[in-house]
Amino acid sequence: GQNIDQPTEMTATEGAIVQINCTYQTSGFNGLFWYQQHAGEAPTFLSYNVLDGLEEKGRFSSFLSRSKGYSYLLLKELQMKDSASYLCAVMDSNYQLIWGAGTKLIIKP
Amino acid sequence: IAGITQAPTSQILAAGRRMTLRCTQDMRHNAMYWYRQDLGLGLRLIHYSNTAGTTGKGEVPDGYSVSRANTDDFPLTLASAVPSQTSVYFCASSDLAGGNNEQFFGPGTRLTVL
Repeated sequence: GQNIDQPTEMTATEGAIVQINCTYQTSGFNGLFWYQQHAGEAPTFLSYNVLDGLEEKGRFSSFLSRSKGYSYLLLKELQMKDSASYLCAVMDSNYQLIWGAGTKLIIKP
Repeated sequence: IAGITQAPTSQILAAGRRMTLRCTQDMRHNAMYWYRQDLGLGLRLIHYSNTAGTTGKGEVPDGYSVSRANTDDFPLTLASAVPSQTSVYFCASSDLAGGNNEQFFGPGTRLTVL
């Protein structure tokens, strides 16, 4: 079966760095996405990785290792507004997104 | 209209009633999707459409139907609502022809079936 695993909840301090991990087992791979979802809102796109390595975009970076079925999202210089759920999703061989349950990130002052 | 709109924003529905959730996009994306999101679970695909005139079943299609008469609209119908269909429903679209197939989401419809 297809499976995406990520921690249910994480807590971090304002100004710090946090890494959210995602492991996956899917039928085929056409890229891995990270989305941010604030409570009561729609998911919004953060990053896309299709090749191994690190993609950096401002305070956010995303890493992919296809051989290990592993990705992480790194958030630097945390701000209170980063409190949200972070969703990992893999595009399978049918170009459909398989979603993890999301990691709720709590930022404390 | 900018992006994707959904209607209604929220709805309380009696079990057994028929309900259509509306979704419209103005980005001329060829693909559209309906998901449901429940606490503790990831987004689950209900139905999708890769192009106008075609639809496909996702992970949880039972009790739902869709149509794609044109590029912009992708309504989701619950023929006879049941309490287990209480959820938040998101419509999304993407351009399968180019880029990374990023999906853009509508604001969601919060549906309660009593």
